[in-house]
Amino acid sequence: EAGVTQSPTHLIKTRGQQATLRCSPISGHTSVYWYQQALGLGLQFLLWYDEGEERNRGNFPPRFSGRQFPNYSSELNVNALELEDSALYLCASSLNREISYEQYFGPGTRLTVT
Amino acid sequence: AQKITQTQPGMFVQEKEAVTLDCTYDTSDQSYGLFWYKQPSSGEMIFLIYQGSYDEQNATEGRYSLNFQKARKSANLVISASQLGDSAMYFCAMREGRGNTPLVFGKGTRLSVIA
Repeated sequence: EAGVTQSPTHLIKTRGQQATLRCSPISGHTSVYWYQQALGLGLQFLLWYDEGEERNRGNFPPRFSGRQFPNYSSELNVNALELEDSALYLCASSLNREISYEQYFGPGTRLTVT
Repeated sequence: AQKITQTQPGMFVQEKEAVTLDCTYDTSDQSYGLFWYKQPSSGEMIFLIYQGSYDEQNATEGRYSLNFQKARKSANLVISASQLGDSAMYFCAMREGRGNTPLVFGKGTRLSVIA
């Protein structure tokens, strides 16, 4: 069974540009989560999508947005990039169950803003 | 207040020895889940172990065990018989409430295993 995949692996952008990151969840998983991991810090929750709807968002400005497609893959868009957006962006997926269930993470996209 | 606190930025352990990584949490929910993840230098987060708030026994997964002390709100990870491949960042995380809500992570502990 394929794990969570993310593309691209690395992305280099300049300040003010837009970045688009992609994530494909494990087959059968309907929930997708996005996390940001800035250098030396823990993971910060960005966005949660389930069944095509945005369920929750973390404490990030509106220029961080995304969507989930009918096949449950997801896209994270970051507009008007700032230097502090440089980070590892991790996508995770999980089954949509009432009981607490682990999230499976992808390898991440390393975004560098210059 | 931080929801997840990991007080050890870095730890060293001799190969084949056991090591305990500390984690305390803060929540007012009765239902919650606690997770430990390993992050090697490659960056991928690897799920290690899970403990539910209503689980009466400590979770174990191979060489990993979770020392769950509910009254003290602690969920320490114990790694037995450390291996060189265990060198990595370790993150404690919590999910509050029922359902698959997002995880809240601690700042992590860097474990170095010495030969």
